[in-house]
Amino acid sequence: SYELTQPPSVSVSPGQTARITCSGDVMAKQYAYWYQQKPGQAPLLLIYKDIERPSGIPERFSGSSSGTTATLTISGVQVEDEAHYYCQSGAIGGLYYVFGTGTEVTIV
Amino acid sequence: QVHLAESGGGLVKPGGSLRLSCGVSGFSVSDYYISWIRQSPGKGLEWLSYIGGSERAIYYADSVRGRFTISRDDTRNSVSLQIHSLRAEDTAVYYCARDVLGGFDFWGRGTLVTVSS
Repeated sequence: SYELTQPPSVSVSPGQTARITCSGDVMAKQYAYWYQQKPGQAPLLLIYKDIERPSGIPERFSGSSSGTTATLTISGVQVEDEAHYYCQSGAIGGLYYVFGTGTEVTIV
Repeated sequence: QVHLAESGGGLVKPGGSLRLSCGVSGFSVSDYYISWIRQSPGKGLEWLSYIGGSERAIYYADSVRGRFTISRDDTRNSVSLQIHSLRAEDTAVYYCARDVLGGFDFWGRGTLVTVSS
């Protein structure tokens, strides 16, 4: 089965840039999707198809992908960005999905 | 306005069964793929199953195939997940979510399933 590996935690100061990676063989073949989850809430879709941002998502959230690694970048981090972030692969073989291990972003 | 709402969670003994429902408003379940995704306490997200399309395509994660059954009721505009032979490791918040362009754009708030004797 496929696995998507993310760093467990990332610490960043307000106004700085946070980068979260998502690594796995499947990322070379599938789009990446990114979610933000705050305590007690359902995940929120931030990025779809590697680089696209749904309406209402701030421009400071951006995505990129190269080879087997996708990256979520948060530019000009704000205090409210403190949350867990998960990547997800597009449907593998058109059949099933895999989520990344998750990254906790802490604002210091 | 798009809205998904899960129900049916609760405390269940090991070996028991449970039926979770996902009520949908703002769109027709027959027009989209709907997935079930769970999150164990303090853990990450795990995709479980989807149902979608006019052909009612269904697929399950290897970890739940054989114990979980997904179904759809177009007249009630809802999707259900039947879970059999519950185990302690099935304890989790269960979410339903709408699949658009390969990602999940709308989620319910989740329903908690606790498996314990």
